[in-house]
Amino acid sequence: GGIITQTPKFLIGQEGQKLTLKCQQNFNHDTMYWYRQDSGKGLRLIYYSITENDLQKGDLSEGYDASREKKSSFSLTVTSAQKNEMAVFLCASSMDRGRAEQFFGPGTRLTVL
Amino acid sequence: GDSVTQTEGLVTLTKGLPVMLNCTYQTTYSPFLFWYVQHLNEAPKLLLKSSTDNKRTEHQGFYATLHKSSSSFHLQKSSVQLSDSALYFCALSVTGGLSGKLTFGEGTQVTVIS
Repeated sequence: GGIITQTPKFLIGQEGQKLTLKCQQNFNHDTMYWYRQDSGKGLRLIYYSITENDLQKGDLSEGYDASREKKSSFSLTVTSAQKNEMAVFLCASSMDRGRAEQFFGPGTRLTVL
Repeated sequence: GDSVTQTEGLVTLTKGLPVMLNCTYQTTYSPFLFWYVQHLNEAPKLLLKSSTDNKRTEHQGFYATLHKSSSSFHLQKSSVQLSDSALYFCALSVTGGLSGKLTFGEGTQVTVIS
């Protein structure tokens, strides 16, 4: 088996601040994903990456950057945090793009003051 | 574009009763459907998946059948337990589309009471 680790678990930022969330997986999966989960809503795809150094925009990429430095890690940057923003950011990975099961990390809970 | 609709946002029911969570989808490509379950403060986990038309798939007492004729993949359980209280997501992947990403429904929050 494997595991997905997300850091930090809780992130508190200030309006306008640039914030970085990190994700590591040891499944040796090719594809990794970043989702945003708002309270009472479904998961919305921000970015995904099918291999090292690849980046693909999801439906919610505006306001975010991402980086796939190596196969096992995928970072997400909130370029300018919005005041009163609260959401959970979930990282996931899968063996291939879409057809295989996606395994999720525990999430990073963001609060912007 | 592709979409998934879950009509129930909140479902509350008594332990031991049956449950059905609705999921319908829209796509012009060949569909692959998933059900994920997310317990409070935990990561979503795969519950069921299917791409075979009219074949029932089962796991942990839950079951679903993909019906391409009606574009549906409803989740059912014959007798819910307190531990089934969770957020349930239906998700769609397609082959032949421009990307292989999953499209999620809004989710159904299930609360089981004793």
